[in-house]
Amino acid sequence: DTGVSQDPRHKITKRGQNVTFRCDPISEHNRLYWYRQTLGQGPEFLTYFQNEAQLEKSRLLSDRFSAERPKGSFSTLEIQRTEQGDSAMYLCASSLYGTGGNEQFFGPGTRLTVL
Amino acid sequence: DAKTTQPPSMDCAEGRAANLPCNHSTISGNEYVYWYRQIHSQGPQYIIHGLKNNETNEMASLIITEDRKSSTLILPHATLRDTAVYYCIVRAGENFGNEKLTFGTGTRLTIIP
Repeated sequence: DTGVSQDPRHKITKRGQNVTFRCDPISEHNRLYWYRQTLGQGPEFLTYFQNEAQLEKSRLLSDRFSAERPKGSFSTLEIQRTEQGDSAMYLCASSLYGTGGNEQFFGPGTRLTVL
Repeated sequence: DAKTTQPPSMDCAEGRAANLPCNHSTISGNEYVYWYRQIHSQGPQYIIHGLKNNETNEMASLIITEDRKSSTLILPHATLRDTAVYYCIVRAGENFGNEKLTFGTGTRLTIIP
């Protein structure tokens, strides 16, 4: 399967702990996006990368959140000192920018539960 | 991105065509109409997009009105696996800063056996 993959698929943690999620985009896709989705709502944009450069961050991305894409391939999203309000589905998407369409293709998501 | 308006829910009989409407009255000239769907507990799935001409692919057809203020996604022969939340999104073209997708709450389509 050459789609977007995310790991882990589920994460349960206690409040105050740090968590890290990984996203592997579709090979050769130069853009990678992170979204967050809470129950009953559509996904909300968090941040995106073009290659290794982080080009935009949403106001939703507090100081406790950090994302990296060090070699322009996979990306990690870390949440420090988790809070119950961080419980959500974290979605990653990738796209090939520069070919006209820039359609985003999503992974299956990581569901985070903060107890 | 321009806002879109979709009905919160719709039902469709299995085997019939499902027609999902979307209003985007403030769409601007460089903005495309995209459709995604999200099956329960999965990531959103790209369906189709268009600028002003009608589009068709193996999944669906997209009909955009001449004034571009509304569109309809058509699933020609709905199956139970088409039960999902469908999102209509208006998004600038690649040369106009189209980085993020702005999702609303979508239409929950239920296919009835």
